[in-house]
Amino acid sequence: DSGVTQTPKHLITATGQRVTLRCSPRSGDLSVYWYQQSLDQGLQFLIQYYNGEERAKGNILERFSAQQFPDLHSELNLSSLELGDSALYFCASSVVDSGNTEAFFGQGTRLTVV
Amino acid sequence: GQQLNQSPQSMFIQEGEDVSMNCTSSSIFNTWLWYKQDPGEGPVLLIALYKAGELTSNGRLTAQFGITRKDSFLNISASIPSDVGIYFCAGQSKGGSEKLVFGKGTKLTVNP
Repeated sequence: DSGVTQTPKHLITATGQRVTLRCSPRSGDLSVYWYQQSLDQGLQFLIQYYNGEERAKGNILERFSAQQFPDLHSELNLSSLELGDSALYFCASSVVDSGNTEAFFGQGTRLTVV
Repeated sequence: GQQLNQSPQSMFIQEGEDVSMNCTSSSIFNTWLWYKQDPGEGPVLLIALYKAGELTSNGRLTAQFGITRKDSFLNISASIPSDVGIYFCAGQSKGGSEKLVFGKGTKLTVNP
């Protein structure tokens, strides 16, 4: 158990809908990352938050947004969903202390858009 | 943007054989991480490297941070069936962002 909790584990929704994925980082970790993994693909970096502030942005679509709350949990919002958005979405957290950025991953949310 | 080239893309080996995979980058990284992912699960951190030239072991796994800071390799000795999975390298560059860039993964199959 990495200590990173993601909910829900599975999500099935229709095209055009909006969903929210939730991530609780490990205790003490200030940084949260979101990644998208499509079938048989690598991990595509979406966005990173550090202590509530956006820190880095990757290939995140305009239809997607995220935020990190004062209690450090994070949510990834996906709107106007398309079939191609079906993927595993992973959250990872790290301490980001003195340049050490060991990121620990949650179990992921499997999103299926039908 | 930054990209990591990970090779090989897949490997089919016999139980007991040693395995080697590597990652290269066109830019410098100051951290290299190696992860293993089982089907339907999140990646699990295997080894973290922070200094150029550093060689670190974790059981049968050994990883090295290349001296140029642009590459890293992972070796698995005496492979066993539970080594099956996808291995990812990840790098973090110097600078303000701690964004981790991932390679596309090496899919390892171990035949008993």
